[in-house]
Amino acid sequence: AQKITQTQPGMFVQEKEAVTLDCTYDTSDQSYGLFWYKQPSSGEMIFLIYQGSYDEQNATEGRYSLNFQKARKSANLVISASQLGDSAMYFCAMREGVGSNFGNEKLTFGTGTRLTIIP
Amino acid sequence: NAGVTQTPKFQVLKTGQSMTLQCAQDMNHEYMSWYRQDPGMGLRLIHYSVGAGITDQGEVPNGYNVSRSTTEDFPLRLLSAAPSQTSVYFCASFRVPRGEQYFGPGTRLTVT
Repeated sequence: AQKITQTQPGMFVQEKEAVTLDCTYDTSDQSYGLFWYKQPSSGEMIFLIYQGSYDEQNATEGRYSLNFQKARKSANLVISASQLGDSAMYFCAMREGVGSNFGNEKLTFGTGTRLTIIP
Repeated sequence: NAGVTQTPKFQVLKTGQSMTLQCAQDMNHEYMSWYRQDPGMGLRLIHYSVGAGITDQGEVPNGYNVSRSTTEDFPLRLLSAAPSQTSVYFCASFRVPRGEQYFGPGTRLTVT
């Protein structure tokens, strides 16, 4: 089974609208971390936001927020007031065993969603 | 503070050739990793290191070697290049416990 599933291969959104990128995950660990990365056309991977499985509040970083629903095993990225510069590939990723110095050092990535912002 | 640097940015190899992709970080992170990115497959872990002298295999280690003699450097060696190793390679470093990884700019490798 896929550990990280991103079901939207591509999305088109009007500038200034909010957008939600879906991510569901599969793990039997109680302690894990969820990450979102942005990859613009230039190719670099940019860390956006982190959510720990024991964090009580949903993570926020500027215009980015993570809608974490633990029981549903979903960790959707919400971008408010989208901008043209938000056009990029977005990857959801998970690290299991977070909180342990000897946890699983592997980040498992989804296949990504290509977001295009329309002016 | 350069973060994570990788060289070269682009490389073309013939089948059977060997080469080393360089990676260095100046954030004093104990943990470093190598990923490959193929179309439609996200990033997959090749090898990782939890400190100088300690390395382990990831999801797709075959055909690659690593070593970690210093905290800063984590080179990836392709022993005998194959067309299936055509990919974009990313090096990353991170610190536990959160583990958000900081990526280098990538190396685009083509094997003909």
